[in-house]
Amino acid sequence: QSALTQPPSASGSPGQSVTISCTGTSSDVGGYNYVSWYQHHPGKAPKLILYDVNKRPSGVPDRFSGSKSGNTASLTVSGLQAEDEADYYCSSYANSNTFDVFGTGTKVTVL
Amino acid sequence: QAQLVQSGAEVIKPGASVKVPCKASGYTFTSYGIGWVRQAPGQGLEWMGWIHTYNGNTNYAQKFQGRVTMTTDTSTSTAYMELRSLRSDDTAVYYCARREQVATLDYWGQGTLVTVSS
Repeated sequence: QSALTQPPSASGSPGQSVTISCTGTSSDVGGYNYVSWYQHHPGKAPKLILYDVNKRPSGVPDRFSGSKSGNTASLTVSGLQAEDEADYYCSSYANSNTFDVFGTGTKVTVL
Repeated sequence: QAQLVQSGAEVIKPGASVKVPCKASGYTFTSYGIGWVRQAPGQGLEWMGWIHTYNGNTNYAQKFQGRVTMTTDTSTSTAYMELRSLRSDDTAVYYCARREQVATLDYWGQGTLVTVSS
């Protein structure tokens, strides 16, 4: 099972929005509405910020939103803040043999 | 509040094995699975597999099949990940996480750095 494809980097100024794509296949992203996103600050544990494509866990600000079209899922961070600077990973259910797969990761820089 | 606590860093010789514990608290251990993820230096997150804590059934990523074993001790709410025949490219931070549902890891341990070196 290959990793899902994400752009290596993305950036924006404070207050702006940034969107990160996560491209898979019809066997993973396109086949199920089980896409999650994680925020990872280096040296800390990853944090779940979205699940089931667009649902936010309790405590995650609504600046984080998700969507999916075909084999590509997207994460949008609106109103960028300095603390949003981190690595972001998507994850999708693949099938009953592989189960889950992560994306390649995107480093978000707040300019 | 759910919490997962992992052990400290380990240095392991090539060819040996490591068994990483992950102690859960703050929730009913057998109501959620435990997933294992690793991150090698400078690399992204990599899914290793997960274990159904209520029956012990496991699902491993193809890459690790034959080399990894995930187990649990329900009496102590602890999950374990054992990786055998370690190589230098197994040097990584190994995370456990509660698997709330499919492809959803909602609480994570702090990670255990495993360094494979002679």
